[in-house]
Amino acid sequence: GAVVSQHPSWVICKSGTSVKIECRSLDFQATTMFWYRQFPKQSLMLMATSNEGSKATYEQGVEKDKFLINHASLTLSTLTVTSAHPEDSSFYICSARSSGSPTGELFFGEGSRLTVL
Amino acid sequence: GQQLNQSPQSMFIQEGEDVSMNCTSSSIFNTWLWYKQDPGEGPVLLIALYKAGELTSNGRLTAQFGITRKDSFLNISASIPSDVGIYFCAGSGAGSYQLTFGKGTKLSVIP
Repeated sequence: GAVVSQHPSWVICKSGTSVKIECRSLDFQATTMFWYRQFPKQSLMLMATSNEGSKATYEQGVEKDKFLINHASLTLSTLTVTSAHPEDSSFYICSARSSGSPTGELFFGEGSRLTVL
Repeated sequence: GQQLNQSPQSMFIQEGEDVSMNCTSSSIFNTWLWYKQDPGEGPVLLIALYKAGELTSNGRLTAQFGITRKDSFLNISASIPSDVGIYFCAGSGAGSYQLTFGKGTKLSVIP
């Protein structure tokens, strides 16, 4: 299957700082990427849909100004958690859809675990 | 919005046994996907289903897209210890690439 890579895989930061997580599609072009958040022992919760060259679409209840998403190229989307607080600690996962793949088939990154002290 | 009910929530089985889990939705889906997630990792796609009634296998795994388009099941035959993990079903509706996820089935295999 297609390869999606996230970086960093884990990060620890102080409260009030900003953290950037990268999501790259390594062997295909991704016109659409999705960002999820996963709490322990729970399912994935969609945060936002990122479309190359346009503004991200956020799900209800997700703060746009807190979770900045940029999809500047067909192989890279970034999620920046601004002014992070302990409650932002979570496992963040991105997924990408290849422009050439069947409808709905998504490939996931390895995930990024954020811990805010 | 769309909701997915996945069951069972967890399973403990003996190595070598077969496993079955399923998902039902409150609305029609056009795509059903089954993923496996290991601790600290992202989900890995196991099987993708695109047509009602479709039955697809991937090694010891078999999944079916229900005729009503509101359900799907995943079977694992002759389980082995490395099958341990959380299995998620996911579906998307017409004209949408967004996935709705089930709550997951945690599988434990006793050697």
